[in-house]
Amino acid sequence: AQSVTQPDIHITVSEGASLELRCNYSYGATPYLFWYVQSPGQGLQLLLKYFSGDTLVQGIKGFEAEFKRSQSSFNLRKPSVHWSDAAEYFCAVGAPGDFGNEKLTFGTGTRLTIIP
Amino acid sequence: DSGVTQTPKHLITATGQRVTLRCSPRSGDLSVYWYQQSLDQGLQFLIQYYNGEERAKGNILERFSAQQFPDLHSELNLSSLELGDSALYFCASSVVGGGDTQYFGPGTRLTVL
Repeated sequence: AQSVTQPDIHITVSEGASLELRCNYSYGATPYLFWYVQSPGQGLQLLLKYFSGDTLVQGIKGFEAEFKRSQSSFNLRKPSVHWSDAAEYFCAVGAPGDFGNEKLTFGTGTRLTIIP
Repeated sequence: DSGVTQTPKHLITATGQRVTLRCSPRSGDLSVYWYQQSLDQGLQFLIQYYNGEERAKGNILERFSAQQFPDLHSELNLSSLELGDSALYFCASSVVGGGDTQYFGPGTRLTVL
């Protein structure tokens, strides 16, 4: 069974500073990987996804993530954060082609606070 | 806007009651997933339907059930409600399954008093 670990529960970053949110996964093969963002009281919005190919994927709102198979990681990055990036970020893993196991398994989330 | 709609947005009810949450998937999506988000359990997969048939079950209580109708909308029924059932319930949809991107609705916040 797949699992996801987001080791940082809460991160505080100054506006304009760079950001990296960590995500480690466990899955027996190459997984599908996702980052979602949840603003307070809102649903989950897809930031980016990795299915195959280029290990550096670009997403919306200036985010990118890099898949590193050797480290079982899929860290999310942004070169310069904006106050509007304050939210909860979830990493998720999916099992490609695994009939009956198509759910997403989510990490516990990282809450991002932006300070002026 | 993901294209997935959920009603109602908020629901307040009492213990022991039964409620029905409704989800309409994105146009063309055949798979519907239900997830529960609570403070102590995080985001947990409950159940998946594909084209009207149950496809996978997760940590769904026996008091909970779901179905997907011919028009592909889905309903999640929660009965004999307990305080611990208070949570945000999300519906997501994807084209088929197998790791396809899942698009999430805005959620239904259930409060059991």
